[in-house]
Amino acid sequence: DTAVSQTPKYLVTQMGNDKSIKCEQNLGHDTMYWYKQDSKKFLKIMFSYNNKELIINETVPNRFSPKSPDKAHLNLHINSLELGDSAVYFCASSPGTSGGEYQETQYFGPGTRLLVL
Amino acid sequence: AQKVTQAQTEISVVEKEDVTLDCVYETRDTTYYLFWYKQPPSGELVFLIRRNSFDEQNEISGRYSWNFQKSTSSFNFTITASQVVDSAVYFCALSEAGGSSNTGKLIFGQGTTLQVKP
Repeated sequence: DTAVSQTPKYLVTQMGNDKSIKCEQNLGHDTMYWYKQDSKKFLKIMFSYNNKELIINETVPNRFSPKSPDKAHLNLHINSLELGDSAVYFCASSPGTSGGEYQETQYFGPGTRLLVL
Repeated sequence: AQKVTQAQTEISVVEKEDVTLDCVYETRDTTYYLFWYKQPPSGELVFLIRRNSFDEQNEISGRYSWNFQKSTSSFNFTITASQVVDSAVYFCALSEAGGSSNTGKLIFGQGTTLQVKP
């Protein structure tokens, strides 16, 4: 019954590696997001997709590439990982234009804790 | 530019005390949404409440209440009779709204860490 799920929950890897984080939502929402939470707990939007179309790309290095195979999935691929990429990455979804009054409310996944060594 | 400020970095109270978490926002939009999220020690982000800019009614949900005042651009959150399980980081957030320009992006405050001691 998980609404927004992410895999893996923990990811420990070496600098320079390429890794992916997967996100799936079973809420029937149109819009999905990636946020990054740094070591000081600050949360910042990275990307947003609406019905598989990129809506937001917030000055994120092009080593980060989101992919949305369908509106229920939004994956995040990171190339050439750097120490500064260590953070918690949250996926979220919202009803979007089909959600009526509550289209803006975002529901978050459990987060993926990425540690780059 | 949009901005959310949570001036209280950390608050510590003793169980059963009431506590208010402050949130001040800045936006040029006339239509916007305000949110509170809770992040317990387990790390997930839990949605608590959403408020639109046209609805200034205060809201109460059990021990939680929210005071939205457009005149002071504030959306404060009060926990009555706090409990140890309320210990968490609480985030206030703002999103723009309105038609095709609505990207839904959430602008978060810095978060307030609440510690409730037994």
